[in-house]
Amino acid sequence: GENVEQHPSTLSVQEGDSAVIKCTYSDSASNYFPWYKQELGKGPQLIIDIRSNVGEKKDQRIAVTLNKTAKHFSLHITETQPEDSAVYFCAASKGNTPLVFGKGTRLSVIA
Amino acid sequence: GAVVSQHPSRVICKSGTSVKIECRSLDFQATTMFWYRQFPKQSLMLMATSNEGSKATYEQGVEKDKFLINHASLTLSTLTVTSAHPEDSSFYICSARAGEANYGYTFGSGTRLTVV
Repeated sequence: GENVEQHPSTLSVQEGDSAVIKCTYSDSASNYFPWYKQELGKGPQLIIDIRSNVGEKKDQRIAVTLNKTAKHFSLHITETQPEDSAVYFCAASKGNTPLVFGKGTRLSVIA
Repeated sequence: GAVVSQHPSRVICKSGTSVKIECRSLDFQATTMFWYRQFPKQSLMLMATSNEGSKATYEQGVEKDKFLINHASLTLSTLTVTSAHPEDSSFYICSARAGEANYGYTFGSGTRLTVV
């Protein structure tokens, strides 16, 4: 089955700097790659997603890139703010199978 | 956008009792719902997948008699933790998806279960 690896597990950046989180997946048939933000005690919230027919997608300060050949995708957050501090999860799926999650990245934005 | 309501947000129960967690899709019909368990500082672990009107499909290692899932309508799925023990204490999260496409997953806000 699908296996999703996520790095780094923790990331600290200064406010205003960029943050990059990377994920790799094992199943070349996976075609949907969402990113979720989870704050303490809450459920995950979708922040951006990308499908395999697209290489890059951007939404204001957040962007995701996908390299199907290498089977990896990345989350880029620019101009980070303290409210960006949270745990971020990548995930992958194919067909109608459930999402498979990475282990998460704890992002701390230092003011 | 799509909203999934999960209740209760927190529950404390005594060992041996049962607890029911509800997951409702408020503005869409959820063909499929998923139940996850999350331990502190860990990722989400899929427990089971449920389709409306049919039996849930449980992941390997998840006891179906202990974690009863009912998906009786297109807007409601319930997870009942039966004969709860302290080791069942965890954060339980549901997710709903409309249709068969593998996108459009919406998550509930989670339920913190503490068994004493």
